[in-house]
Amino acid sequence: AQTVTQSQPEMSVQEAETVTLSCTYDTSESDYYLFWYKQPPSRQMILVIRQEAYKQQNATENRFSVNFQKAAKSFSLKISDSQLGDAAMYFCAYRSALWAGANSKLTFGKGITLSVRP
Amino acid sequence: EAGVAQSPRYKIIEKRQSVAFWCNPISGHATLYWYQQILGQGPKLLIQFQNNGVVDDSQLPKDRFSAERLKGVDSTLKIQPAKLEDSAVYLCASSLYPPPPPLGAVATNEKLFFGSGTQLSVL
Repeated sequence: AQTVTQSQPEMSVQEAETVTLSCTYDTSESDYYLFWYKQPPSRQMILVIRQEAYKQQNATENRFSVNFQKAAKSFSLKISDSQLGDAAMYFCAYRSALWAGANSKLTFGKGITLSVRP
Repeated sequence: EAGVAQSPRYKIIEKRQSVAFWCNPISGHATLYWYQQILGQGPKLLIQFQNNGVVDDSQLPKDRFSAERLKGVDSTLKIQPAKLEDSAVYLCASSLYPPPPPLGAVATNEKLFFGSGTQLSVL
């Protein structure tokens, strides 16, 4: 079974600064997807960024980028130019690339609470 | 495009009572997921439907939890009787994910759309 570990429960960043959130995972599969989700107080999960394991290039989405180290099974999220609206819980998640119904589910880490100081 | 709708938004009950949550996925989405998110933890999958059939319910406590998806659209998750440890947010998600092709074929990266969840407090 796949596991996702987020060992930092909380982090804080000054507005306009850069912060990196860490995530490690364990899997025996070679093809999979990794995600970062944001969960604001409204509780709705919002997809921030995704990475396909077969791609060597790190994914970027505006101010958000990842550092994907497949051999180390590490998947960190970097938020540049942090904004007050970035304050939320962030979850790292794993999904198998195998096309079989039950493998389409997301496996989440415990999450990290990010606060942004004005 | 309308999102995933869930109700109620909050529910407070006493232990041993029953409770039901409702989810209306995005129109046309074949796959529906129920996740349980306990405070301080990440969401954990309880049950996954594809159309009106169950794909995965391995982590559903079947002695007290039940779920159904009528006509492959709306879904209801029920807890009877509730325990203190059932206090959590119950998230519903849906995706277009069609019935799967043969095992081993590489899946396209279907996006999951989440509702705002139901926060359950069991006293």
